This record gives sequence, structure tokens and C-alpha cells, in this order.
Amino acid sequence: DIQMTQSPSSLSVSVGDRVIITCRASQDINNYLNWYQQRPGKAPKLLIYDASTLETGVPSRFSGSGSGTDFTLTISSLQPEDIGTYFCLEYDNVPITFGQGTRLEIK
Amino acid sequence: QVHLVESGGGVVQPGRSLRLSCATSGFTFNIYALHWVRQAPGKGLESMTGISDDGSQTYYSDSVKGRFTISRDNSKNTVFLQMDSLTNEDTAVYFCATGRYFYGSGIDHWGQGTLVTVSS
Repeated sequence: DIQMTQSPSSLSVSVGDRVIITCRASQDINNYLNWYQQRPGKAPKLLIYDASTLETGVPSRFSGSGSGTDFTLTISSLQPEDIGTYFCLEYDNVPITFGQGTRLEIK
Repeated sequence: QVHLVESGGGVVQPGRSLRLSCATSGFTFNIYALHWVRQAPGKGLESMTGISDDGSQTYYSDSVKGRFTISRDNSKNTVFLQMDSLTNEDTAVYFCATGRYFYGSGIDHWGQGTLVTVSS
């Protein structure tokens, strides 16, 4: 099974900050990677699919990049509503595998 | 609009069984793969099991293999999760979720989840 290593596990950030979250796969996953946002008590919401494609309706301050084994989610200017936990998901094969999550907190 | 609604959660004793259902609407159910993903309290997401559009292919994580069974009824647009031999470690919110393909497709829609508490 593919292992996903996500970092950092938590971030204390300020509104307006640029935020970068990374996921590393244990093997090449052919850009089969999604990013999700999860607010407390809610289901995850798809932000980015196929590593870099913005889901319809997601603000353009979110972007994804990377290829092969190393991937990045960037929030260009953090807004208050962006607080929550972010997960990556690889789907190169089954079982699909999530990263451990990154929790964003306001300073 | 895509809707997935899980049901069947609750409190169950260790060693007992529970069956979850996920009723869906708003998409062509019989051409989508379905997954069950769980989240233990304060923890991350774990993809436990998935099933292909026609039910011919499944996968299970090591943590549930041999204890949990996924199935689907394409005539009722519903997916099921039979959970046997439950342990305290199975306490979690259980989400059902859709993916366009069994291979090479991530999760695009999620239900709101149902809480399963395993406790004596």
C-alpha cells in the first residue's frame, strides 16, 4: 500500500498569511492526488483534484502543485473561513490513502 | 445535487455487529464507485473499504479485513457496510463517499457521517 506523509501536522497562522502544506507519497502516484478541507463536525470538501485542478466554486487563493511523489497545497492569502484541517488523498491504486492532516489555527 | 445520507450508527457493545446504510441521490449511482471512510475522535481519515460500480471489485484496509463487508444495491441507489466483531478501536464517524471510478479516481462527494460508538 502507498503511504502518504503530510506536513506540518499543525500551523498557527494569521489572516493574510501564505500557507504551504505538503504531501509526500511513498512511490510515484501519477498526479492522482486530491486536497480536501474539513471544518469541525463537517464532512471534507474537495478543493483540488488531479494534483493541480481547482474544483468548481473553490476560491482562486487555493492552488495545488507537484508531480510524482511530492505535492503542495498553497493558500495565497489566508482568510478566516479557511480555518480547519486539510488532508491529501492519493488514488493511484486501491486502497486509496489519506495524509495525516494539517490543522490550521489562528494566531 | 448529489446527496449521500448515512444511517445505522449508534452505540454497540464490543464483539457485536452493526450494519450501516448510505442512501444516495442526484447522480447516476450505477456508474460510480463507493467508499466508506472513517474518522476516529480527534484523528485523521481512514479509507476502510470501497466497491466498484457493478460490485465486482472491492478493497479493504488491513484494520477491517475479514470483519467488515461492503455491498451495494444498484436498484435502490444504496451502499451498505456490515461490521462484525466490533472493537473499541472501531469507534468513529463513518462517512460514505463517491468516486467516479474504482481505479484512478479520488473521492468527490461525501455524506455527513454517522457516529458508531463501541463501548460496553
